[in-house]
Amino acid sequence: DQQVKQNSPSLSVQEGRISILNCDYTNSMFDYFLWYKKYPAEGPTFLISISSIKDKNEDGRFTVFLNKSAKHLSLHIVPSQPGDSAVYFCAASGNEKLTFGTGTRLTIIP
Amino acid sequence: GAGVSQSPRYKVAKRGQDVALRCDPISGHVSLFWYQQALGQGPEFLTYFQNEAQLDKSGLPSDRFFAERPEGSVSTLKIQRTQQEDSAVYLCASSRLGGGGSTDTQYFGPGTRLTVL
Repeated sequence: DQQVKQNSPSLSVQEGRISILNCDYTNSMFDYFLWYKKYPAEGPTFLISISSIKDKNEDGRFTVFLNKSAKHLSLHIVPSQPGDSAVYFCAASGNEKLTFGTGTRLTIIP
Repeated sequence: GAGVSQSPRYKVAKRGQDVALRCDPISGHVSLFWYQQALGQGPEFLTYFQNEAQLDKSGLPSDRFFAERPEGSVSTLKIQRTQQEDSAVYLCASSRLGGGGSTDTQYFGPGTRLTVL
């Protein structure tokens, strides 16, 4: 039973355009959501987070949106840059431990 | 150190061997977590420490897996009698607070890739 789902295994976006990565969850007890970025042979790097009491959090080029009623969150990257090419994991927390999605591989096309 | 470090980065073991994986968390971080990441999957929770106390070990797949953090800093994940299905990347993460609830960011190390032949 997958509690956090990333239904798009891969996404390709032109450099300079917006990248939108999506994530759905089923457990309403989750109250904190994070996005991690992962390069090959490295551990996940924290990118941005959002508490369940908010619906938007912005940090530079990265914005995370949370729709609690739909149990859906998304990560927007604007403008997309070649260095953004990586695997992005959505994660949710409700009791200290994180539950991860399976990841979306983002490729930025120059 | 500046970040979470793990050693070794790569480990090859013959089936039936015991292995020990080490994690050095960020200095001063109270909480420490171990995750297992299979190929093509997201990390999955194994166990959690607050200082030296192991508060949650619900994710450990069998009694062959054992973790400790005796002095509340460095942690070791031990796998006894390794099996081929244990092949995965083992990730360690630490966070600043203890009992801080969900809203405490976890910072990950580079992982140890374990291959069991």
